[in-house]
Amino acid sequence: KAGVTQTPRYLIKTRGQQVTLSCSPISGHRSVSWYQQTPGQGLQFLFEYFSETQRNKGNFPGRFSGRQFSNSRSEMNVSTLELGDSALYLCASSLRQGTDTQYFGPGTRLTVL
Amino acid sequence: AQTVTQSQPEMSVQEAETVTLSCTYDTSESDYYLFWYKQPPSRQMILVIRQEAYKQQNATENRFSVNFQKAAKSFSLKISDSQLGDAAMYFCAYRSARLQGAQKLVFGQGTRLTINP
Repeated sequence: KAGVTQTPRYLIKTRGQQVTLSCSPISGHRSVSWYQQTPGQGLQFLFEYFSETQRNKGNFPGRFSGRQFSNSRSEMNVSTLELGDSALYLCASSLRQGTDTQYFGPGTRLTVL
Repeated sequence: AQTVTQSQPEMSVQEAETVTLSCTYDTSESDYYLFWYKQPPSRQMILVIRQEAYKQQNATENRFSVNFQKAAKSFSLKISDSQLGDAAMYFCAYRSARLQGAQKLVFGQGTRLTINP
């Protein structure tokens, strides 16, 4: 069974632009969570989607948004990019909401210049 | 809010030796899950081992085992017979067992493990 896939793997943007990252969960998994990883703040939870609905949101500004499609694929969008948004963005999937194990994708490395 | 603390930013061990990584956490909940993930240079986050808080028995996965002390809120990872491929950043993580907000993992700051040949 294929693992979690994320596209693109690397992305370079300039301040003020917006970006969309994509995540395809493991086949059959319906819950997708997003995390931001930076050297200073470590790993921080962004949001979680299940059945096309955002179920939980971390402490990030409204510039960070996401959605989930009927096939469980998820996208996250960051508008008006800032230098501090440079990070590794990790997506994780699990079978159902409330199941205990999340499996991570390889991440998307976003660099904001 | 729950917090996870890894007090060892870096650890090193000789190949074939045993090493223990420390993790403590703070929570007011009685039911939760604990995890160790490893992140090699490829940056792929890989699940190493998980522990359900309601189980007293310590989880084991091949060369990896945990020492779960619920009362002390401690969750250490022991790696036996260390191999070069074990070199990575190791993260301890907490997850509530509540359905609402249940998928949120709270991570520690990580411990960088180096294996010396």
